[in-house]
Amino acid sequence: TQLLEQSPQFLSIQEGENLTVYCNSSSVFSSLQWYRQEPGEGPVLLVTVVTGGEVKKLKRLTFQFGDARKDSSLHITAAQPGDTGLYLCAGGGRSGGSNYKLTFGKGTLLTVNP
Amino acid sequence: GAGVSQTPSNKVTEKGKYVELRCDPISGHTALYWYRQSLGQGPEFLIYFQGTGAADDSGLPNDRFFAVRPEGSVSTLKIQRTERGDSAVYLCASSSSPEDTQYFGPGTRLTVL
Repeated sequence: TQLLEQSPQFLSIQEGENLTVYCNSSSVFSSLQWYRQEPGEGPVLLVTVVTGGEVKKLKRLTFQFGDARKDSSLHITAAQPGDTGLYLCAGGGRSGGSNYKLTFGKGTLLTVNP
Repeated sequence: GAGVSQTPSNKVTEKGKYVELRCDPISGHTALYWYRQSLGQGPEFLIYFQGTGAADDSGLPNDRFFAVRPEGSVSTLKIQRTERGDSAVYLCASSSSPEDTQYFGPGTRLTVL
C-alpha cells in the first residue's frame, strides 16, 4: 500500500491550460513538500507546507495543504513547456515521526505540449 | 555554490559483485541522506547520517547494504553481492540540520546485469 497516493499518474496537456494534481494519504504529516524532478536529475524542492489549510503561491503554481494535514494539491495556471517534469509530493513526520524521514508518492508525470 | 555531487553517474555491474557509490554533500551540511528510486516510483528512504554516525538506518533493505561517513562529510553507500533487484537510481541529499530542506544530488544509476 502506497502511503502517499498521487493522481493522476500521467498528464499531457497543451500550453496555456490549467491543471491540478493531487496527493492523498490516510496518515497525518507534520509537513508536506512538493518537488519537481527532471530526467537524470534529483528532485528539486518547490514548496513546503506545514499548517493545515495553508495555501502557498509560487508564480503560476498554487499549493494547498488539507485541513487535516493528510492531503495536498498543486494547481498550475497557464502551463508552459518548461513546467514539464515529474512532480513528487513528500510527507515529513508521518504520524508524529521524524521530520527528516520523507515519504514520497510515485509522482505525476506532466508533459506540456507547445 | 556547489550542490550535492554523486559519483559515478552510472554504474553497470554483474550480479554478485560489490559496488560503492559516493556522495559529496553541500559544504557545511551535517545531515546526509540516502534514498533509492526504482523505475516508476518515488524515492524511498534508506539511511540518515548526523555527522559521522548513522542516526537512522531503518530503510536499508537488508545486510548487503551498508553506508559510512567517516569524517562527517563524504559518504559511501556499499552494496555487497548485488542482485538484479538492486537496479535503481540511488539519490543522496544533504541539509544543514534534520529539520531543514534536503537538497538532492543527481543520483547514481545502478544497473545489475
